[in-house]
Amino acid sequence: DADVTQTPRNRITKTGKRIMLECSQTKGHDRMYWYRQDPGLGLRLIYYSFDVKDINKGEISDGYSVSRQAQAKFSLSLESAIPNQTALYFCATALRNTGELFFGEGSRLTVL
Amino acid sequence: SQQGEEDPQALSIQEGENATMNCSYKTSINNLQWYRQNSGRGLVHLILIRSNEREKHSGRLRVTLDTSKKSSSLLITASRAADTASYFCATGDSGGYQKVTFGTGTKLQVIP
Repeated sequence: DADVTQTPRNRITKTGKRIMLECSQTKGHDRMYWYRQDPGLGLRLIYYSFDVKDINKGEISDGYSVSRQAQAKFSLSLESAIPNQTALYFCATALRNTGELFFGEGSRLTVL
Repeated sequence: SQQGEEDPQALSIQEGENATMNCSYKTSINNLQWYRQNSGRGLVHLILIRSNEREKHSGRLRVTLDTSKKSSSLLITASRAADTASYFCATGDSGGYQKVTFGTGTKLQVIP
């Protein structure tokens, strides 16, 4: 089983719909991240969390919200999806003080 | 804006040749990391170099870091077709919170 699991892996939705992407990890890491990848733009940080009570905005948090339900779970929500949120979304985890990120396989979201 | 910019954006070489990718960044860092991404998959950590280090090796990988120039390079020696992938640099911020910011990536093609 994957250490960092993202669901769903693929989702097609319509403009205005609420979408939740979920991430769970079995690595026991305290730090969790959500990134968005667009062609030619690399990965951009949406939100990051260092523990259940510590959530921080990244570069592109507008239009997104997150919830850290437990140390192992970090969800990303799009309250009202729009077409330019079509992208590949990655969840990642890290152990405190190491800096190395461990990625899930990604969630491909298409907003029509 | 992106913290890191990779150069070149794309690189095509013959199997057995060396591949060099460069990364420039903008702000002070705690560490710099390189990741590999096979098409559409999650990123995989390759190597991390701390801000007080100048060079690091791991197998066929050699990373250099010049903090005065805010730049790093990744050298893959004796490339193989299996090295075909996108490579990203990522910087861990110096503020102690380990916000990890990615560059735009270099797409490497190794021709058998």
